[in-house]
Amino acid sequence: SQQGEEDPQALSIQEGENATMNCSYKTSINNLQWYRQNSGRGLVHLILIRSNEREKHSGRLRVTLDTSKKSSSLLITASRAADTASYFCATDAGGNNRLAFGKGNQVVVIP
Amino acid sequence: KAGVTQTPRYLIKTRGQQVTLSCSPISGHRSVSWYQQTPGQGLQFLFEYFSETQRNKGNFPGRFSGRQFSNSRSEMNVSTLELGDSALYLCASSLLDHGYTFGSGTRLTVV
Repeated sequence: SQQGEEDPQALSIQEGENATMNCSYKTSINNLQWYRQNSGRGLVHLILIRSNEREKHSGRLRVTLDTSKKSSSLLITASRAADTASYFCATDAGGNNRLAFGKGNQVVVIP
Repeated sequence: KAGVTQTPRYLIKTRGQQVTLSCSPISGHRSVSWYQQTPGQGLQFLFEYFSETQRNKGNFPGRFSGRQFSNSRSEMNVSTLELGDSALYLCASSLLDHGYTFGSGTRLTVV
């Protein structure tokens, strides 16, 4: 089964800086989603990008998708301490109604 | 509107016992999925229900089972608990292709 993989695994940045994390997957997808998780709590849906889209914005978030390289990136601009969390990408391919998650990126924003 | 509600939040069980976890989806969401999160394996798909029918099942032993009721509420059951079943169990509900809304999870500890 396909699996998202994020790179890098851990990122520590100063407040106000941008944070970028990447995700790769192995098979064709219908869409790719990014989620945030704070301290082992539930996942919060951030953004969904469809396979026919190349870029999507939501507030301070920018997601890109390159289906030819089977990769996606999540950019958080002007980071805040509240952005400290783990970020996961997940793919939902072939209408299987199941998400395959990557291992996650730990982002720490230092005030 | 209310989010996805999972009960209980925390649970401690002894090896060999069984456990039932509950999930109430967002009103109007008919799809309910379950995921297991552990430090070693990450987020793994357990199963997905739609209109009281299991549509998808992940690669978990038969000790893991679930069901969905006519009001879309779902339960998952784990029988003959093992230490390795200690995990955060997350439930998610969705409308088609709109991303998933996760509950806060049930933290299960098996001792």
